[in-house]
Amino acid sequence: GDSVTQMEGPVTLSEEAFLTINCTYTATGYPSLFWYVQYPGEGLQLLLKATKADDKGSNKGFEATYRKETTSFHLEKGSVQVSDSAVYFCALSGLNTGFQKLVFGTGTRLLVSP
Amino acid sequence: EAQVTQNPRYLITVTGKKLTVTCSQNMNHEYMSWYRQDPGLGLRQIYYSMNVEVTDKGDVPEGYKVSRKEKRNFPLILESPSPNQTSLYFCASSQTALGNSPLHFGNGTRLTVT
Repeated sequence: GDSVTQMEGPVTLSEEAFLTINCTYTATGYPSLFWYVQYPGEGLQLLLKATKADDKGSNKGFEATYRKETTSFHLEKGSVQVSDSAVYFCALSGLNTGFQKLVFGTGTRLLVSP
Repeated sequence: EAQVTQNPRYLITVTGKKLTVTCSQNMNHEYMSWYRQDPGLGLRQIYYSMNVEVTDKGDVPEGYKVSRKEKRNFPLILESPSPNQTSLYFCASSQTALGNSPLHFGNGTRLTVT
């Protein structure tokens, strides 16, 4: 079945550092790919998405490119802020489930220090 | 304000005592779903509903029931809770099937079963 693999956390960075959180997936065909962010005590919020190969999703300085050849959707940000500290989830919605559910990775906690 | 509202936020109960977690959305969304979040496991889908009176099992439905009598409401029922159902629960909704439509999450219900 479909699955998502994310890098283990926590990822600890200083403010203004470059961020990469790796995400790879297994799915049939061309799934839609998502990054969600969860701030402490809150539900998940959509950060960005991409629905076809080579699409780049972007929002709030974060970017991720849908790479079909490497089945990856890595999250990047050029300069992180303390306010970016959160848990980040990679997810997909695909043909195997009739696009009727999101399959999530286990989440990666990001800690940004001043 | 567009939102998904879950209640209660925190719940402590004893084994075997029936409980209901309510979920309501004000966005006229067709699709609703329940997830549980556990450390190291990410989010796993319990049940989902494509529309009124249409519900289906997710990946971990055992011990749970749902109903969708109205479009806006999707309660989660634990008929006889057990300690392994101690978890953080999220309700979510989406306009349609998830290929392009993002999930909107509630703020979660932390359930402890002793």
